[in-house]
Amino acid sequence: GNSVTQMEGPVTLSEEAFLTINCTYTATGYPSLFWYVQYPGEGLQLLLKATKADDKGSNKGFEATYRKETTSFHLEKGSVQVSDSAVYFCALDPLDSSYKLIFGSGTRLLVRP
Amino acid sequence: AAGVIQSPRHLIKEKRETATLKCYPIPRHDTVYWYQQGPGQDPQFLISFYEKMQSDKGSIPDRFSAQQFSDYHSELNMSSLELGDSALYFCASSQGGPNSPLHFGNGTRLTVT
Repeated sequence: GNSVTQMEGPVTLSEEAFLTINCTYTATGYPSLFWYVQYPGEGLQLLLKATKADDKGSNKGFEATYRKETTSFHLEKGSVQVSDSAVYFCALDPLDSSYKLIFGSGTRLLVRP
Repeated sequence: AAGVIQSPRHLIKEKRETATLKCYPIPRHDTVYWYQQGPGQDPQFLISFYEKMQSDKGSIPDRFSAQQFSDYHSELNMSSLELGDSALYFCASSQGGPNSPLHFGNGTRLTVT
């Protein structure tokens, strides 16, 4: 089956620290992979995506590389800001015509000044 | 830019009552998804519609029903509400097809007392 596993939170960092949030997946085919972010009181927003192996998605200083050999899609940012505090969800689209996402359990990031 | 609009933002109902949640997708988006996010949990897919037809069904209870109308807005009807139905209900829209990212609304928070 298809599933997504994320590292548990909360992850607490100081401003300008390096961020890594691990995400691994299990899929029967060749899924597309996504990171969504949920700011307090708001809906989920697409942060970045990758559609095939070795693709790198990037947005707002965040990056994630689709690693088929390790079935991973870790989220990284070189220097976090307080405004990055949110919950981050890794997700996959199995591309089996079901048009639905499978989410990981989310990782809460807290960035302190 | 226009986003996905959900109404109401908050809803309080008693057990065994009925609730209707509404979702207005981004213009020209033809696919609508409903997700349920319980307290501290990851979003769970409920149901989706493509071009006004149900395209996929997830973990949606039989007490719930949904439809997509001719103007592409969607309504989620929930009957015989239970305490466990208290959650954040997200609607998302896309232009359909693989690799199309979902755009989420801010959600409707349903509290069942």
